[in-house]
Amino acid sequence: GEKVEQHESTLSVREGDSAVINCTYTDTASSYFPWYKQEAGKSLHFVIDIRSNVDRKQSQRLTVLLDKKAKRFSLHITATQPEDSAIYFCAASKGTNTGKLTFGDGTVLTVKP
Amino acid sequence: ETAVFQTPNYHVTQVGNEVSFNCKQTLGHDTMYWYKQDSKKLLKIMFSYNNKQLIVNETVPRRFSPQSSDKAHLNLRIKSVEPEDSAVYLCASSTPGGPDTQYFGPGTRLLVL
Repeated sequence: GEKVEQHESTLSVREGDSAVINCTYTDTASSYFPWYKQEAGKSLHFVIDIRSNVDRKQSQRLTVLLDKKAKRFSLHITATQPEDSAIYFCAASKGTNTGKLTFGDGTVLTVKP
Repeated sequence: ETAVFQTPNYHVTQVGNEVSFNCKQTLGHDTMYWYKQDSKKLLKIMFSYNNKQLIVNETVPRRFSPQSSDKAHLNLRIKSVEPEDSAVYLCASSTPGGPDTQYFGPGTRLLVL
């Protein structure tokens, strides 16, 4: 089955700097790649996603890049703020009607003031 | 704004007891999911239902059984809980017909003594 590896288990940046979280996946059939944010004591909150028909998607300070050849995708956060501190999960899903998400293990992002 | 509701928030029980968790979504989605998040924050899909029909059943112990009365509700019953069932159980929903954004509920935290 699909395996998603999230390369950074922890990441610490200074406020205003950029943060990059990298993920790789194994199944070439995967075509949908969402990112979720989980703040302390809270549930998962959708932040951004990308589908395999594009290689870049931006939403305000967030950009997702997808490299299908390398089976790699990444989340870029610019101008980080303390409220960006959270666990970020990447995930992958195939283009089927199950919609099943396979998650990475999460990256704890800390933005220091 | 919460649109996926879960009850209870928290449940403490003893080994061997039966527990039941409820999930309701008001998004009009046809597909609902149960995920388990363990103490290390790792997320694993358990079940997926599309319009009251089971479409994904990962390798979970047989003491776990999902129940759906209609497409807006997906409950989870655990017969004879064990200590390793202690976790947060997250319900999610999405539109059908392929991978799409999944919206998560606040979770039910289960502690098995």
